[in-house]
Amino acid sequence: QKEVEQDPGPLSVPEGAIVSLNCTYSNSAFQYFMWYRQYSRKGPELLMYTYSSGNKEDGRFTAQVDKSSKYISLFIRDSQPSDSATYLCAMSVGGNNRLAFGKGNQVVVIP
Amino acid sequence: DVKVTQSSRYLVKRTGEKVFLECVQDMDHENMFWYRQDPGLGLRLIYFSYDVKMKEKGDIPEGYSVSREKKERFSLILESASTNQTSMYLCASSFSGEGRAIIQYFGAGTRLSVL
Repeated sequence: QKEVEQDPGPLSVPEGAIVSLNCTYSNSAFQYFMWYRQYSRKGPELLMYTYSSGNKEDGRFTAQVDKSSKYISLFIRDSQPSDSATYLCAMSVGGNNRLAFGKGNQVVVIP
Repeated sequence: DVKVTQSSRYLVKRTGEKVFLECVQDMDHENMFWYRQDPGLGLRLIYFSYDVKMKEKGDIPEGYSVSREKKERFSLILESASTNQTSMYLCASSFSGEGRAIIQYFGAGTRLSVL
């Protein structure tokens, strides 16, 4: 079983819809939970991160972590065409320089 | 603004050639990483370095080597390129330590085709 599972299936939504992305993981030592966003022909960049469990909100983006279920989510409200990108979840045990990445979800927001 | 610069955006090489991919960062980061990204497989770590002249194998080091002679520069070497090394290669860098290492800054990538 991979450390981080993210269903890589593409997702197409109409503009204004809520986008819901999620990842599961197996390593209970993970403490940091990140979402990276990657636009076409660019490298990934950190979108937001959460330490331990709970929710974090940043504008239209909400990240949730449920450590008891080993499950993290990213929600994008009022999605815009500019949100079209690949979203990768990533996790770290902290104090450790490596990240464990999911495979990424390609999201297309249709105007 | 943090900048991670990869020397080439596109490269085409022949099977058996020695290939050098160069990466330079300008933020005095301790850590540097080389990944490859393939459809359906995601990002896979090849090698990383947490200090000058130090290197650690990632998940798929076979067929690759690295060099870090200066803090700002991390090179990936394909000793004898093969067609299964055709991929997008991404370099990244980060600070070291709790909470800081989670923010990796990526270059734009090098798309390598081995014919």
